[in-house]
Amino acid sequence: DAGVIQSPRHEVTEMGQEVTLRCKPISGHDYLFWYRQTMMRGLELLIYFNNNVPIDDSGMPEDRFSAKMPNASFSTLKIQPSEPRDSAVYFCASSFDSNEQFFGPGTRLTVL
Amino acid sequence: GENVEQHPSTLSVQEGDSAVIKCTYSDSASNYFPWYKQELGKGPQLIIDIRSNVGEKKDQRIAVTLNKTAKHFSLHITETQPEDSAVYFCAASSNSGYALNFGKGTSLLVTP
Repeated sequence: DAGVIQSPRHEVTEMGQEVTLRCKPISGHDYLFWYRQTMMRGLELLIYFNNNVPIDDSGMPEDRFSAKMPNASFSTLKIQPSEPRDSAVYFCASSFDSNEQFFGPGTRLTVL
Repeated sequence: GENVEQHPSTLSVQEGDSAVIKCTYSDSASNYFPWYKQELGKGPQLIIDIRSNVGEKKDQRIAVTLNKTAKHFSLHITETQPEDSAVYFCAASSNSGYALNFGKGTSLLVTP
């Protein structure tokens, strides 16, 4: 298994632009999580899905952030418009009916 | 919500010595406590976990202990090696959705 796949690995954009991060979970996993990692705040859970349905989005910072999971093998996290304070590493993780979560390699986002 | 505190934030040991990282949690309903290792440029990787019905778990050089009464759990690494150098995160969750709450991380440096 290739593990959790994220793209792009690096993204540099200018303030105000739309950013879309992508994630392919491990095949057969029914939970998908989006995290954000910064030096100041550590690893924060943004949102998670179960069977493609959003369960808890209380960690999403504000309305500029949105996430979708149109099918079991794909999810997106979108930021529109992006701001410099959104700069962070964004991780996607998946799990199967258990607490063990498998993380992807992350997307390093820089907003200028 | 759950609050996980982790100490120390940095730890330096000599190769062959033991390393101990401690975490406390606030939600008495938490019953799953994983530890993740994150190497530079990679996503966190699960190294060991423990559930609330167990007080201690060991896997080769790594062990985790849990004190539910005091709401704290610890990671013990014996006979440390340079390749153990990484950032280690503790986390806690309850069964209600599998969402993980992470500590701020411990940067472990093992010097030859």
